[in-house]
Amino acid sequence: DAGVIQSPRHEVTEMGQEVTLRCKPISGHNSLFWYRQTMMRGLELLIYFNNNVPIDDSGMPEDRFSAKMPNASFSTLKIQPSEPRDSAVYFCASRRRTGGEYGYTFGSGTRLTVV
Amino acid sequence: GNSVTQMEGPVTLSEEAFLTINCTYTATGYPSLFWYVQYPGEGLQLLLKATKADDKGSNKGFEATYRKETTSFHLEKGSVQVSDSAVYFCALGPGGSQGNLIFGKGTKLSVKP
Repeated sequence: DAGVIQSPRHEVTEMGQEVTLRCKPISGHNSLFWYRQTMMRGLELLIYFNNNVPIDDSGMPEDRFSAKMPNASFSTLKIQPSEPRDSAVYFCASRRRTGGEYGYTFGSGTRLTVV
Repeated sequence: GNSVTQMEGPVTLSEEAFLTINCTYTATGYPSLFWYVQYPGEGLQLLLKATKADDKGSNKGFEATYRKETTSFHLEKGSVQVSDSAVYFCALGPGGSQGNLIFGKGTKLSVKP
């Protein structure tokens, strides 16, 4: 089991550029979560999907952020245009939905720096 | 709504000291409770969990007991090691199979030799 795979591990981009973060969940997990982590705000849930369908995107900060999950094995988080305040570590996590079991597995994260 | 409150860090201990990180929660229904650990440069890893009142979760010498009467899930370890230095997150999951985890703000632990 390769775990949750995120790419890239590090991304440095200039303000105004489009950034795409990628996530491959664990096979068989049918819930996927995108989190953002900063020193000031801690861990914030941005959006999550059940069976590839977005369930709650209330944490997406603004329209510059969008997320897709075209199939069970791939998701993207896009920021367009990027701003310096978007600098953070972005985590993807997946979970197998069974009754009472919340076995989240996190990826190693993408550290985004917008200059 | 549901929420988790953790003691603020950082916590600095000497090797072999006793560790307690406090966590209290507010929730409706019967949530599951979790502790996650984040080592530098890595994602969060599940450390232990408890799914009902009076359950004790344990792993790698860490323990936490789900106390419904005090709405608490404090993390303890009898003798910490330098390798335990990390950030620890308490989390709450709503009862049932829907929904996401709610995380506390994290407590940074540094263990000195």
